[in-house]
Order: sequence, then C-alpha cells, then structure tokens
Amino acid sequence: ELKVEQNPLFLSMQEGKNYTIYCNYSTTSDRLYWYRQDPGKSLESLFVLLSNGAVKQEGRLMASLDTKARLSTLHITAAVHDLSATYFCAGAFGNEKLTFGTGTRLTIIP
Amino acid sequence: KAGVTQTPRYLIKTRGQQVTLSCSPISGHRSVSWYQQTPGQGLQFLFEYFSETQRNKGNFPGRFSGRQFSNSRSEMNVSTLELGDSALYLCASRRLAGGREAQYFGPGTRLLVL
Repeated sequence: ELKVEQNPLFLSMQEGKNYTIYCNYSTTSDRLYWYRQDPGKSLESLFVLLSNGAVKQEGRLMASLDTKARLSTLHITAAVHDLSATYFCAGAFGNEKLTFGTGTRLTIIP
Repeated sequence: KAGVTQTPRYLIKTRGQQVTLSCSPISGHRSVSWYQQTPGQGLQFLFEYFSETQRNKGNFPGRFSGRQFSNSRSEMNVSTLELGDSALYLCASRRLAGGREAQYFGPGTRLLVL
C-alpha cells in the first residue's frame, strides 16, 4: 500500500527566503500531485508530475520528481506572504485513489 | 467553466442520524472521488465512481456509501452517524478515469456530529 510522508509538518519562513518541502513515498506511484489549501478552503491543484525527472514551475513554486528516490520536492523561491497555506503532496498508482501526505503548514513572516 | 459544487456546505447532525451529501462535477468530468479530511487522520480516500460504477473504495466502514447518477452527479451517504464522522467531506472530479490530470476539488461539506 502506498504511503506518503511529507516534511516538515510546519514551516515558518521569512519573506524573501527560499525553502523546500519534501515528499517521500513508499512504493511505486505513477503520478505525484501537489495541492495547496488555504484555511477553511478546499484544495487547489498546483502541479501534476508524471515521469522521472519531471520539473514544473509556476511563479515562485517549482516541483520536481525523482521516481528512483521516490521523492518529490516543492521549492519556494523568494517567499511572499500570499504563499502562506498548507501544501499537500499526493501519490496515485493505477487508479484514482489519491494517498495524501500529512501536509506542510507554511507561514511566511514579513 | 463552473467548478465542482457540493451541497450543503455546512451540516449539523446528531449521533445516530444519517446524512446525504451531494456533488456535481465539472461539466464533462465523469470520474468523481470522495475524501474525508479531519485534523487527526488528514485526507483519506472514501470511494471513486466512474460511469455510475464504484471503481475503488477506501478503508471506511459500510456506513459510508455512495452512488453516481447518469449525469455524473454523485451522492455519498453516512448512516448511523458517530461523533468521529465530524469532518470536511471533499468531492473531486476528473474528466476520465485513469487520466493523467489533476483531480479538481469542490469546496467541501463541513459536517458536525453532536
């Protein structure tokens, strides 16, 4: 059974700094997703990563996938306050069931 | 293009009651999945429907059931509610089952069981 672990669980960082959220998964996953959730809100899709070495970027966020290491990263560049949210990674293998990580609560401090 | 809609948005029930939640997927999306989100257990998969057939089921008791209609709208039902069923229930849709695109989530139904 696929298990997904994220770290850190909590991240407090200053505006303008860079940081990375890590997502490890236990078995083969043929899709890796990143979602964002604001307090009291639903999940917003950020990235879908399908193959080894895939890299996707949107604004200050960049996600990558290393299927051999079973690792995905979400890199935040020059953080700004409106990136404060909880970020989830999720894996899926062969069907529509997404297995989510615990989430990383990111707080950007001015 | 309208997003995934869920009704009701908020619900308060008492133990032992039953509840039905509704989800309308994005137009053209045929796969609908349901997830439960709680502070303790995080996001957990409930079940997934495609073309009115349940294709996958998570590890939830039989009190949790669902169905999908011919127009792809889906409902989930929880019978004999327990306090631990208090959660945010999220519905997600995708155009095709097995497609390599994201699942798009609705706003959720927040259920409180007293």
